[in-house]
Amino acid sequence: GAVVSQHPSWVICKSGTSVKIECRSLDFQATTMFWYRQFPKQSLMLMATSNEGSKATYEQGVEKDKFLINHASLTLSTLTVTSAHPEDSSFYICSARAGVDEQFFGPGTRLTVL
Amino acid sequence: RKEVEQDPGPFNVPEGATVAFNCTYSNSASQSFFWYRQDCRKEPKLLMSVYSSGNEDGRFTAQLNRASQYISLLIRDSKLSDSATYLCVVRGSSASKIIFGSGTRLSIRP
Repeated sequence: GAVVSQHPSWVICKSGTSVKIECRSLDFQATTMFWYRQFPKQSLMLMATSNEGSKATYEQGVEKDKFLINHASLTLSTLTVTSAHPEDSSFYICSARAGVDEQFFGPGTRLTVL
Repeated sequence: RKEVEQDPGPFNVPEGATVAFNCTYSNSASQSFFWYRQDCRKEPKLLMSVYSSGNEDGRFTAQLNRASQYISLLIRDSKLSDSATYLCVVRGSSASKIIFGSGTRLSIRP
């Protein structure tokens, strides 16, 4: 199947700093990428849908000024958590759509904000 | 009501047992259905798509009941390696969004 990478795989940062997470589709072009957040023992919650060359569509309750998404190319989308706080600590997972339905997930980024 | 609902479990069954999960969805216009598997601290991985006619892949059988708006996953002859969280995933009428259920935790004991 298609491969999606994320970088970094984990990050620890101080409260107030910004963290950038990269999501890359390695062997296919993805016009649409998705960003999810997962808290312990909970399911994935869609944060935003990222379309190449256009603004991301955010889900209700997700602050677009706090979670900046850039999808500048068909193989790269970035999520920047600005002024991160401890409550932003979570597992962030991206996915890229390869066909009509199939989505391939990145390995996730575990963010811990101290 | 949640768009996709699953029994969170945990299901704790002995190796070799047969176990079944159900998942209900609220949007009757939903078009595509999947089961994903997620291991602890890992990303979800597609286990199988669910077709209207039902489908089987080895020990795994998935079925769709549109009238009652539920999908099911049956695991036969369960293995220790089947221990994971199983996520029910539904794509609605929108082409760009899929909805995850909260997952059902399965633990297989020796």
